[in-house]
Amino acid sequence: QQQVKQSPQSLIVQKGGISIINCAYENTAFDYFPWYQQFPGKGPALLIAIRPDVSEKKEGRFTISFNKSAKQFSLHIMDSQPGDSATYFCAASNSGGYNKLIFGAGTRLAVHP
Amino acid sequence: KAGVTQTPRYLIKTRGQQVTLSCSPISGHRSVSWYQQTPGQGLQFLFEYFSETQRNKGNFPGRFSGRQFSNSRSEMNVSTLELGDSALYLCASSLRGQGLGETQYFGPGTRLLVL
Repeated sequence: QQQVKQSPQSLIVQKGGISIINCAYENTAFDYFPWYQQFPGKGPALLIAIRPDVSEKKEGRFTISFNKSAKQFSLHIMDSQPGDSATYFCAASNSGGYNKLIFGAGTRLAVHP
Repeated sequence: KAGVTQTPRYLIKTRGQQVTLSCSPISGHRSVSWYQQTPGQGLQFLFEYFSETQRNKGNFPGRFSGRQFSNSRSEMNVSTLELGDSALYLCASSLRGQGLGETQYFGPGTRLLVL
């Protein structure tokens, strides 16, 4: 019940294309769903996050879509750029968990010029 | 504002030894969390501290312990190291650690290699 399942494991996209990463969860107590971006040699950095009372959130080229009934959420990267090449992690937490994040397994994105 | 800092950045130990890792949170942040990152298990929560108190703990053996000081700096200790403890250990800080979507800021990590 604590798992967050992420797919695909790796993704290759051409420059200018759309990158889509999907996550699914079981625990209905989760109420915060962030996405983190990690470059080699660096710690994860928050990219965008959503609460379950919202179905979509957009920040620049990054959009989270959230489907509460299906317990799924996804990250869309529009107009993907080579600089977006990184590992992306979805995560989930609940308010009573004192910031304990449950992470997906990660998606390694490569954007080819 | 300076980010989360972790020392040392790299560490090599042998089986059976113990190790202490240090984390300095962003100024004003009082919650510090620790995560272990490995290729096989991914990112896993170790524990969280606030005001020198451990409030949450992940599913790790008792060999993994931590503490937080009055200035919010935190240390984690791993005793009797095993080969499987080789990992990137990440520290994250936030203002209050009250959940509710509070952003956690991660440090660059300490890469531990156990031989």
